[in-house]
Amino acid sequence: RKEVEQDPGPFNVPEGATVAFNCTYSNSASQSFFWYRQDCRKEPKLLMSVYSSGNEDGRFTAQLNRASQYISLLIRDSKLSDSATYLCVVLSRGNTGKLIFGQGTTLQVKP
Amino acid sequence: NAGVTQTPKFQVLKTGQSMTLQCAQDMNHEYMSWYRQDPGMGLRLIHYSVGAGITDQGEVPNGYNVSRSTTEDFPLRLLSAAPSQTSVYFCASSQTGVAAKNIQYFGAGTRLSVL
Repeated sequence: RKEVEQDPGPFNVPEGATVAFNCTYSNSASQSFFWYRQDCRKEPKLLMSVYSSGNEDGRFTAQLNRASQYISLLIRDSKLSDSATYLCVVLSRGNTGKLIFGQGTTLQVKP
Repeated sequence: NAGVTQTPKFQVLKTGQSMTLQCAQDMNHEYMSWYRQDPGMGLRLIHYSVGAGITDQGEVPNGYNVSRSTTEDFPLRLLSAAPSQTSVYFCASSQTGVAAKNIQYFGAGTRLSVL
């Protein structure tokens, strides 16, 4: 079983739709959680950190459920520019910064 | 405003050749790492370093060497290239410590093909 698992998609949605991605992680000792965005043939970039209480950044909302060991990302009012692959990332225990990446979920927003 | 710089961007090697992928960062970050990204696999950690003079293995270290003689540079060496090493390689850096939240900054990647 992979340490971080995501549905690879693709998710095809129309502009303006709301879409949600889930991600599960297997290590209950994991400390920090992130969503990264990766455009086609580009490097990953941090989209947002995920806090225990949930957090929002504009149209993006991230949630963490430690009991069930999953993380979610909700995108409201999808834009064409949201088309990308979204990587769920988990930080292993300790301060060494070892990140475990999910394989990513691909989103295609259509006009 | 360079951030993390990787060279080369593209490389084609023959089986058995050796080469070094270069990575440099100008943010004075302590932590640097190398990942490879293959279709359907996500990014996998090859080697990492928590500071100058210190390196350690990640998930897939076989066939690769690293060194960290300075804070800025973290080269990745392929000792004897194999077709299985065809991949996209990303270098990343971050500050360590709780305050920095371990945000990783990635280079633009090196696309390597081994024939």
